[in-house]
Amino acid sequence: RKEVEQDPGPFNVPEGATVAFNCTYSNSASQSFFWYRQDCRKEPKLLMSVYSSGNEDGRFTAQLNRASQYISLLIRDSKLSDSATYLCVVSGGGKTSYDKVIFGPGTSLSVIP
Amino acid sequence: NAGVTQTPKFRVLKTGQSMTLLCAQDMNHEYMYWYRQDPGMGLRLIHYSVGEGTTAKGEVPDGYNVSRLKKQNFLLGLESAAPSQTSVYFCASSYPPTSGDTQYFGPGTRLTVL
Repeated sequence: RKEVEQDPGPFNVPEGATVAFNCTYSNSASQSFFWYRQDCRKEPKLLMSVYSSGNEDGRFTAQLNRASQYISLLIRDSKLSDSATYLCVVSGGGKTSYDKVIFGPGTSLSVIP
Repeated sequence: NAGVTQTPKFRVLKTGQSMTLLCAQDMNHEYMYWYRQDPGMGLRLIHYSVGEGTTAKGEVPDGYNVSRLKKQNFLLGLESAAPSQTSVYFCASSYPPTSGDTQYFGPGTRLTVL
């Protein structure tokens, strides 16, 4: 089993739709959780950190369920500019938090006019 | 601030050749990382450094060496390139005291080994 798994995608949704991405991780000692966004042929960029209490940033909501080792990202009112690959990232649980930074394979989103 | 920069952006090597990828950051970050990204695999950590003069192995270190002689630079070396090292290489940096585990990435180097 991969350490971080994501919905395989791709997701093709119309503008204005709500879309949810799921991510599971296997290391129960993991401490930090993030969603990154990666545009085609570009570098990953932090979208948001994920906290146990859940957090929201505009149209984006992230949730963490430590008991189920599950992370989610909800995008409301999708825009064309949201088209990208979304990477789930989990860190911690190793000797340091840096040798256990694990990126998921990503889920591709295409928002269609 | 330029952030994180990588040199070169593209490179084609023949099997057995060597090369060095340069990563530079101007954010005074202590921690720097080298990743490779392959289709369907996600980013995988090659080596990382938690400060000037220190390096450590990540998930996939074989075939690569690194050096961090200056705080702002992190070099990734391929001594004898193999086709399996064809990939996109990303460098990243972070500064946990202020930004936690957030990593800032360079634009990537696309390497093809023939």
